[in-house]
Amino acid sequence: QAGLTQPPSVSKGLRQTATLTCIGNSNNVGNQGAAWLQQHQGHPPKLLSYRNNNRPSGISERLSASRSGNTASLTITGLQPEDEADYYCSAWDSTLSEWVFGGGTKLTVL
Amino acid sequence: QVQVVESGGGVVQPGRSLRLSCAASGFTFSSYVMHWVRQAPGKGLEWVALIWNDGNEKHYADSVKGRFTISRDNSNNTLYLQMNSLRAEDTALYYCARESDAFDVWGQGTMVTVSS
Repeated sequence: QAGLTQPPSVSKGLRQTATLTCIGNSNNVGNQGAAWLQQHQGHPPKLLSYRNNNRPSGISERLSASRSGNTASLTITGLQPEDEADYYCSAWDSTLSEWVFGGGTKLTVL
Repeated sequence: QVQVVESGGGVVQPGRSLRLSCAASGFTFSSYVMHWVRQAPGKGLEWVALIWNDGNEKHYADSVKGRFTISRDNSNNTLYLQMNSLRAEDTALYYCARESDAFDVWGQGTMVTVSS
C-alpha cells in the first residue's frame, strides 16, 4: 500500500505557528486533495479538514489546510498545549482504488 | 447523537477467523460509504476496506485482500468485517469510520490480537 509522506515530528513553541506537510502524487493528493486528522493519545482520530481546506463544524479557525501540486499542508497558528497530538493526512488514490494515509507527524508544543 | 460502536475484537490464534461488527446510530446509515481502518500498537493509521452505501462495491488494502471481507446490513445499521487466515501483523485496534467527504465519524475501536 503506497503511503503519503509526512515528517515524523515537528516541535514549535507556544503561540507559534506550525506547518505540517504531506507529500503524495498526482493519483492521490494531486488529484482530489487531502484530509487531515488529529489523534490524541488513547483517542480515536478526529477529522480536521477535507478536500484541502474544508473544516467540519467545531474545528478551530486556527487550523487551515492547503495544497500545492502533490503536497498538502496543514497550518496551525497560535499553538496551544491541546494542539500537541499526532496528525495524519489521507487521500483517495484513484489508481490504487484505496485510501492511503501518511505515517503521521507528532506535533510537540514546547 | 451520531455514533458508531465497534465490537467483536479479542485474542485469536494465527490462521483463525474473527468477525468484527460496527453498530451505527444517529444518522441514515444506508446513505454513507463506510470504512474499516486499523492501527497497530504504537503505529500509524492503515486503511483496511470500504463498502459503498448500497453494498455493491467494495475495496480492500492489498495487505488484507483475499482474507478479509467487508459487508453491511442496512436494515440493522451494522457494518461487518470478516477476518480469515489471521496473521500476527493483523494485530491492531480496528476502527469503523463513516465517510462524508472524508472520515468524519469514528468509533472507539475494537482490539484484535493475533497470537499463539
